[in-house]
Amino acid sequence: EAGVAQSPRYKIIEKRQSVAFWCNPISGHATLYWYQQILGQGPKLLIQFQNNGVVDDSQLPKDRFSAERLKGVDSTLKIQPAKLEDSAVYLCASSLARFGEVVNEQFFGPGTRLTVL
Amino acid sequence: RKEVEQDPGPFNVPEGATVAFNCTYSNSASQSFFWYRQDCRKEPKLLMSVYSSGNEDGRFTAQLNRASQYISLLIRDSKLSDSATYLCVEFNDYKLSFGAGTTVTVRA
Repeated sequence: EAGVAQSPRYKIIEKRQSVAFWCNPISGHATLYWYQQILGQGPKLLIQFQNNGVVDDSQLPKDRFSAERLKGVDSTLKIQPAKLEDSAVYLCASSLARFGEVVNEQFFGPGTRLTVL
Repeated sequence: RKEVEQDPGPFNVPEGATVAFNCTYSNSASQSFFWYRQDCRKEPKLLMSVYSSGNEDGRFTAQLNRASQYISLLIRDSKLSDSATYLCVEFNDYKLSFGAGTTVTVRA
């Protein structure tokens, strides 16, 4: 079974530039998550989708971050403009659990490692 | 205060040793708990769920203490391949909250 796919794997940009990350979850998984993992910290949830709807974006810095999952399958996370403190690994995950259900397991993609200079 | 706190370690142990570490959580209403494993520069993967009665999976044993609000992970007969960061995770308010992780290094 194919896992969660993400691209690109690495990205280096200068501050104030824009960047976009792509994620394709496991087939049939209704719920998709974007996390930010700063070096030395655990993953922090940025946004959660169920199908094509946002169910939690309370920790998404909406002045510069945006995300969409238009057809309820793959998703894009964008940063515009990037700041130095955005340097992190951006992880996408998916699960069978629907919003409100206990999450038994989230499957993570390999992540995109972003460096902002 | 962080929702989930862990001793970052590192715990350096010889092969065959037993290593154990805890994680504390702040929200007494948290519903479920998990341990995820993250290898260096890799994505997190579920290691095991933590049940109220405690559970065991091979060499790994997880315990939940709701009265003191901590969970524990014990690894018996450590293998070199157990070297990783172990993330403590709680499910509450419809989302997972991850600790910063405990690093374990098993040496030959």
